[in-house]
Amino acid sequence: EIVLTQSPDFQSVTLKEKVTITCRASQSVGSNLHWYQQKPDQSPKLLIKYASQSISGVPSRFSGSGSGTDFTLTINSLEAEDAAAYYCHQSSSLWGTFGGGTKVEIK
Amino acid sequence: EVQLVESGGGLVQPGGSLRLSCAASGFTVNNNYMTWVRQAPGKGLEWVSVIYGGGGTYYADSVQGRFTISRDNSKNTLYLQMNGLRPEDTAVYYCAREASLDYWGQGTLVTVSA
Repeated sequence: EIVLTQSPDFQSVTLKEKVTITCRASQSVGSNLHWYQQKPDQSPKLLIKYASQSISGVPSRFSGSGSGTDFTLTINSLEAEDAAAYYCHQSSSLWGTFGGGTKVEIK
Repeated sequence: EVQLVESGGGLVQPGGSLRLSCAASGFTVNNNYMTWVRQAPGKGLEWVSVIYGGGGTYYADSVQGRFTISRDNSKNTLYLQMNGLRPEDTAVYYCAREASLDYWGQGTLVTVSA
């Protein structure tokens, strides 16, 4: 099983600040790494696919980078609506896995 | 427009069974990589099972031997048959499409309790 380790677990951030969330894989997943946002009582929403590919309708302040084992989700200029949990997921292996999640709170 | 609608959740006693359904529209389940994901109350996302376009199926260790993923092409619906349910299977169950999980359903709650 490929283990995905996200950090930090929790981040309290002021509006317009830059947010960086990392996801480290226990073995290479190539670019088969995706990022999701989940707000309370909602289904997860795809933000970034295949490490860095943007998704139609997702604000441009969200971006992804990395390959192999180390990945980053960046939120430039945090807005109030970005308060949520963020998860990474790998589809490299036949058995998928998720990171433990990062909760972003507005300070 | 792509839509996924889960159903079939409910309260079941330990050891019981449930079959979850995920009705798809706007695309064909048969040709797609479809995944079940669950989320226990207050916890993170957990990958449960996948069925590939070619029909191959895979399961998380926690459900292997108890859960079965399948699809009905005539109904364009994905299923998850869950047997031998345990309290730790209590969660909201989501279905999602494609390797990137680009579309998700609204989820269906399964509660396993005596």
